[in-house]
Amino acid sequence: DTGVSQDPRHKITKRGQNVTFRCDPISEHNRLYWYRQTLGQGPEFLTYFQNEAQLEKSRLLSDRFSAERPKGSFSTLEIQRTEQGDSAMYLCASSTSGATTDTQYFGPGTRLTVL
Amino acid sequence: GNSVTQMEGPVTLSEEAFLTINCTYTATGYPSLFWYVQYPGEGLQLLLKATKADDKGSNKGFEATYRKETTSFHLEKGSVQVSDSAVYFCALNAGNMLTFGGGTRLMVKP
Repeated sequence: DTGVSQDPRHKITKRGQNVTFRCDPISEHNRLYWYRQTLGQGPEFLTYFQNEAQLEKSRLLSDRFSAERPKGSFSTLEIQRTEQGDSAMYLCASSTSGATTDTQYFGPGTRLTVL
Repeated sequence: GNSVTQMEGPVTLSEEAFLTINCTYTATGYPSLFWYVQYPGEGLQLLLKATKADDKGSNKGFEATYRKETTSFHLEKGSVQVSDSAVYFCALNAGNMLTFGGGTRLMVKP
């Protein structure tokens, strides 16, 4: 079990550019979550998948954001036309069945800086 | 909606001191409660959890008891070490997502 991995670890981009992040969950986990964490704050929920189905999206997820999990394994999060306010740490987590008692395991995050 | 409130930091302690980090929550239903820890330069790690009222979660000398009557889940450790310096997050799961508090930075001095 290698844990949740995320790529890249750091991304610097210019305002207006598109960026894409990847998350590989723990292999036997069927649920995958995306969170955003700004400096000095706790993580905030963005969206989650059960297998390949995206079941819930936060109001934080504007129409510039899109997430996919095409084969129920890895997931991508794309941000189009980035803005300086998008600068944050983007965290991915995974869990097994998704009951409230299930533990979400987090990856190291992708730190995005928008210049 | 669901929310988590935890004491603001930083909390600065000397090694071997007693630690308490307060956490209270508001939730519909019966959430599970968690403490996560984030060491410098690393991702979030689960520290401990409790899934129902009066449960006590414990790990690495840290403890927290799920108190439904006071909607609290305070984190305690009897004797902190320099290596415990990190940011601690209280969180609840009442459905399909975690709701986090703002985090409390702990600094332990030798």
